[in-house]
Amino acid sequence: GDSVTQMEGPVTLSEEAFLTINCTYTATGYPSLFWYVQYPGEGLQLLLKATKADDKGSNKGFEATYRKETTSFHLEKGSVQVSDSAVYFCALSTGGYQKVTFGIGTKLQVIP
Amino acid sequence: DTAVSQTPKYLVTQMGNDKSIKCEQNLGHDTMYWYKQDSKKFLKIMFSYNNKELIINETVPNRFSPKSPDKAHLNLHINSLELGDSAVYFCASSQDSGNTQYFGPGTRLTVL
Repeated sequence: GDSVTQMEGPVTLSEEAFLTINCTYTATGYPSLFWYVQYPGEGLQLLLKATKADDKGSNKGFEATYRKETTSFHLEKGSVQVSDSAVYFCALSTGGYQKVTFGIGTKLQVIP
Repeated sequence: DTAVSQTPKYLVTQMGNDKSIKCEQNLGHDTMYWYKQDSKKFLKIMFSYNNKELIINETVPNRFSPKSPDKAHLNLHINSLELGDSAVYFCASSQDSGNTQYFGPGTRLTVL
């Protein structure tokens, strides 16, 4: 079956540090890939997505590139802020009536 | 304008009681979902409806029963609540199954 593997965390960084959260996947066919973010006390919201190989999703300074050859979709940001503290979920969808598969979530804490 | 709303936001109840959580979306989406998030932030899909028809029914106790009176609403009824049901329950919707999901703010259920 489909699966998503991401680092467990928590990840603690100082403000302005570089962020990478690794995500790899296993899926049949050609899935769409997503990063969702959950701020404290809120529901998940889409951060970025990519629907085919070599696509780069980007939003709010975050980026991730769909790498088919390594089955990866790592999340990066060049300079994190305290306001980026949240839980980040990698997810995939193979479309149709298949469920979206989420990773376990990675908690990011940014300290001033 | 709230896209996906849930009521109530907090629900505290005794073991053995029956309770319901309501969800409404005003996005015109065809597909709605219920997820359970445990204390470690792990997100597990429970049910999915497309145009009022059940399309995903994961392995959850039959004490949980979803009801979709129309495609804008998906309610969750829970019978004979148990301590292990304590979690945050999220409703979500998407235009077609597998696409970007829009989450509600969550309902924190505490069973005493």
